[in-house]
Formats: sequence, C-alpha cells, structure tokens
Amino acid sequence: QQQVKQSPQSLIVQKGGIPIINCAYENTAFDYFPWYQQFPGKGPALLIAIRPDVSEKKEGRFTISFNKSAKQFSLHIMDSQPGDSATYFCAATTSGTYKYIFGTGTRLKVLA
Amino acid sequence: NAGVTQTPKFQVLKTGQSMTLQCAQDMNHNSMYWYRQDPGMGLRLIYYSASEGTTDKGEVPNGYNVSRLNKREFSLRLESAAPSQTSVYFCASSRQGVQPRTEAFFGQGTRLTVV
Repeated sequence: QQQVKQSPQSLIVQKGGIPIINCAYENTAFDYFPWYQQFPGKGPALLIAIRPDVSEKKEGRFTISFNKSAKQFSLHIMDSQPGDSATYFCAATTSGTYKYIFGTGTRLKVLA
Repeated sequence: NAGVTQTPKFQVLKTGQSMTLQCAQDMNHNSMYWYRQDPGMGLRLIYYSASEGTTDKGEVPNGYNVSRLNKREFSLRLESAAPSQTSVYFCASSRQGVQPRTEAFFGQGTRLTVV
C-alpha cells in the first residue's frame, strides 16, 4: 500500500515533443504529490507538486495531471528541450508521517 | 546558501569496515532523511528524523544506524560494510510538520563502493 509505481523506466523524445511520465498509488491517505528532477551527479530537486484537491497544475512547461478516482498522476513536459534530459521521480507523502515514498524513476533523454 | 551538505562525496570501503556519512543543513528544517539510490530501485528511505531527538526506521534500515546530533546534523553509520551497501546515499531535509508543507531538499550525494 505504500508503493508508488512509476512508468516508463526510460523515455526518448525528439526536441519539441511532449514526454509523459505516469505514476500510480494505492494509499488513499497520501495528500501531497511532488515530482523531482535529478541531473547526473546531483541530488534530486523539486520540480512541481500537486495536492489531490486539484486535477491539474502548470508551472512553465511542466504540468501535473491528477486523477484522484484512478489514484494516478502524471507529468507532462511541453516543448521538451535537450536540457530537460534528466531522471524524474514522482513521490507521495501523507501529512504528519514525515516520509516521502518515491517512484523508481524515469530516465528521460530529449534529442536535439 | 549551502542548503544540505554531505561528506564525503566519494568513498571506497573494504567489506567489514565501518564509516559514518555526515549531513548538515542550514535551513532550520526540523525533519531530516537518509535515502539510498540504486539503479531501477529509485530512492529508498533508510532512516528519518522527524525532529531533533527522534529517529525512526524507513524501508531499508538493516545494517545502518543514525544519530540526530542536533537540529542541523544527521549522520548515517555503517558498522560493518557489505557489498550490498554499495550505493549512492542522499541526505535530505524538510520543514515537514509545519504548515504550509514544504519540499524536501537533497544534498549532492555520497557515492559509496564496498569491495
């Protein structure tokens, strides 16, 4: 019940494409869903996050879509650029538990 | 702003050796975490400390111990290193528990190899 399942494991798109990364969860107590971006040799950094009371959140070229009934959420990267090439992790946590549960990561490569 | 600082950045140990990974944050966060990152496994929580003076086990605590030395520092100790502990270790901190909730900030990681 604590797992967050992420897919695909890797993704290659052309510059300007719209990569989509999907995550699914079981624990309905989760109430905060962040996405982290990690470049090689660096620690993960928060990219965008959403709470289950909204169905979509946009920040620049990054959009999270959230489907509470299906217990799924996804990251869309509009007009992807080679600089977006990184590993992306979805995560989930519950108020008061202090624990972030991470997905297994998606390695994205955007071709120039 | 240093954020979360981890030392060392790289380490090679022989099986059975011990070592301590150090972590310090300067953001006055109350919660701190240790994760390990392995290919295809994502980030798995080893131990966390919700606040100064408290520590709790995460998903994969076996073979590790932690100390929350003060609000700033949270160390991870390997008492007898094993090859299965070869991994990249990340320390993180957050202002969890204080509204509004904030993100977890990660250090640069420690790449540990046990031979």
